Amino acid sequence: EAGVTQFPSHSVIEKGQTVTLRCDPISGHDNLYWYRRVMGKEIKFLLHFVKESKQDESGMPNNRFLAERTGGTYSTLKVQPAELEDSGVYFCASSHNSPRGYTFGSGTRLTVV
Amino acid sequence: GDSVTQMEGPVTLSEEAFLTINCTYTATGYPSLFWYVQYPGEGLQLLLKATKADDKGSNKGFEATYRKETTSFHLEKGSVQVSDSAVYFCALQTGANNLFFGTGTRLTVIP
Repeated sequence: EAGVTQFPSHSVIEKGQTVTLRCDPISGHDNLYWYRRVMGKEIKFLLHFVKESKQDESGMPNNRFLAERTGGTYSTLKVQPAELEDSGVYFCASSHNSPRGYTFGSGTRLTVV
Repeated sequence: GDSVTQMEGPVTLSEEAFLTINCTYTATGYPSLFWYVQYPGEGLQLLLKATKADDKGSNKGFEATYRKETTSFHLEKGSVQVSDSAVYFCALQTGANNLFFGTGTRLTVIP
């Protein structure tokens, strides 16, 4: 079984540019989550999809962040325009029918300069 | 609100040393508690978990006991190996689907 795939693994962009992160969950997993770790701090929840619907987006920091999940399959997280404080590692996770069965991806390290 | 306070790192140990990484939590209700590990270049992996008070989670020689009276879930291993070098995250979950994580502790084990 393929795991959760995220790409790119690294991205360096300039302040004001747009970046799109992608997450491919494990096939058949209805639940998809995005988390973020800002340098040296805790990993924080961003949002949760159930299939194509946003179940909980209470962790999204502001309206520069837009997440979508097309057809309930892969998900994208777009940051537009990027700011310096958006730098960090963005993790995606998926689960079948229990939030306690998370599988995480290896993360995308975003650096905004 | 819910939160996790985790021992600051980094931690450097010699091989076969005893490891303790402290974790305490604040939560409404009765959380489930987890330790996740991130090896270099890999994603977060669930190391162990405990879902109720006095439960002991264990895996790969690591153990943690859910202590409700001290609101703690300290991670221990009796004899660490070089291959245990990684970042360790304590986390909790209370009913809602999202996890609350600590700041992570980087462990380096030297031969």
